[in-house]
Amino acid sequence: QVQLQESGPGLVKPSQTLSLTCTVSGGSFSSGGYYWSWMRQPAGKGLEWLGRIYINGNTNYHPSLQSRVAISIDTSTNQFSLKLSSVTAADTAVYYCARGNYGSGNPALFDYWGQGTLVTVSS
Amino acid sequence: DIQMTQSPSSLSASVGDRLTITCRASPSVYSYVNWYQVKQGEAPRLLIHDVSRLQSGVPSRFSGRGSGTDFTLVISSLQPEDVATYYCQQSYSIPPTFGGGTKVEV
Repeated sequence: QVQLQESGPGLVKPSQTLSLTCTVSGGSFSSGGYYWSWMRQPAGKGLEWLGRIYINGNTNYHPSLQSRVAISIDTSTNQFSLKLSSVTAADTAVYYCARGNYGSGNPALFDYWGQGTLVTVSS
Repeated sequence: DIQMTQSPSSLSASVGDRLTITCRASPSVYSYVNWYQVKQGEAPRLLIHDVSRLQSGVPSRFSGRGSGTDFTLVISSLQPEDVATYYCQQSYSIPPTFGGGTKVEV
């Protein structure tokens, strides 16, 4: 059973960089047909896709965040990470990591998720 | 970005009721719609993908249908453990986008 777990600071100051890591267990991390994504959900709002990274390091980001977001991957530790720079209160949200499964032909199917971690942007 | 509009935003029903949640896409997303269940403090759970394909382990009381721009998630007989918020998501184009959610109470 694939499991994902987010980790990182729960409080970030405005203008600083938010950094989160997702640790994947249960296999499939370096397997073909998958990529690794970050999503977020501000309180009272819907889910927002932030970006994804393939095992070869190729990335895609949400156009509205492209200038501030970076996702990296470390296959030696089965982890991938999110960095979001110049944060404001609007970036306060529950952040989720998830596995994207495109092997079946559906290009953005998220079949396993972490429980999420709340990140608050405040001084 | 493709917009996914979900309705209703919340509903209250009784155990055993049949529930229908609607999602409208603009523009068309063909058959690339997935549905997720999110419970407080838990990892989101994929219920249905490609409009109507039930994810492994999901009870058969959940079903989906639709094509193009109009999609529905049906819970045929509501159970207490179905209390959650449900989201549709289009996977036709990048960025993937989600509906606003439907909060289901029993």
